[in-house]
Amino acid sequence: EAGVVQSPRYKIIEKKQPVAFWCNPISGHNTLYWYRQNLGQGPELLIRYENEEAVDDSQLPKDRFSAERLKGVDSTLKIQPAELGDSAVYLCASSLDPRQTSYNEQFFGPGTRLTVL
Amino acid sequence: QKEVEQDPGPLSVPEGAIVSLNCTYSNSAFQYFMWYRQYSRKGPELLMYTYSSGNKEDGRFTAQVDKSSKYISLFIRDSQPSDSATYLCAMSEGYSSASKIIFGSGTRLSIRP
Repeated sequence: EAGVVQSPRYKIIEKKQPVAFWCNPISGHNTLYWYRQNLGQGPELLIRYENEEAVDDSQLPKDRFSAERLKGVDSTLKIQPAELGDSAVYLCASSLDPRQTSYNEQFFGPGTRLTVL
Repeated sequence: QKEVEQDPGPLSVPEGAIVSLNCTYSNSAFQYFMWYRQYSRKGPELLMYTYSSGNKEDGRFTAQVDKSSKYISLFIRDSQPSDSATYLCAMSEGYSSASKIIFGSGTRLSIRP
């Protein structure tokens, strides 16, 4: 079974430019997460989707970040305009409907490494 | 002060040694305690999780939780070069998707052949 797929794997842009990241979760997983991992730090949640609905976006910097999950499957995270401090690895994760399991394991993709110059 | 504190290392040990990785936390509401392994240029993968206090063993890996001290540990027996990675502790108040996972900063481990 394929894992969480993310693209691109690497992206280098100049500040003030827009950038978008794409995520395809594991088939059948209803919940999708976007995390940001700064160098030498653990992942921090940006936004969580239950199917198509963004149910927790409290940590998403809404002035420049946006996300969508059309049809409750793939998701896109966008930054416009990018700033130097946005350089990080952006991780996507997915999990099953928690009503189907006793523990809600999150499965992570390989991430997109963003460098803003 | 961070909710979860973890020594960043790096930690370098010879092959076959017993490795001890640790985290402390401040939120007494945490009930689920996880250890993730992250290889370079990869996403984190769950090694094991523990509910509340106690020990849990899975092969060469043992997780311990001491809620009274707010201290968790991961022990790796008979360490192998393939265990070289960054180990992230993580915690949450519940098991559902609504329970936010708080990660430590990770400890970089290197096993010398």
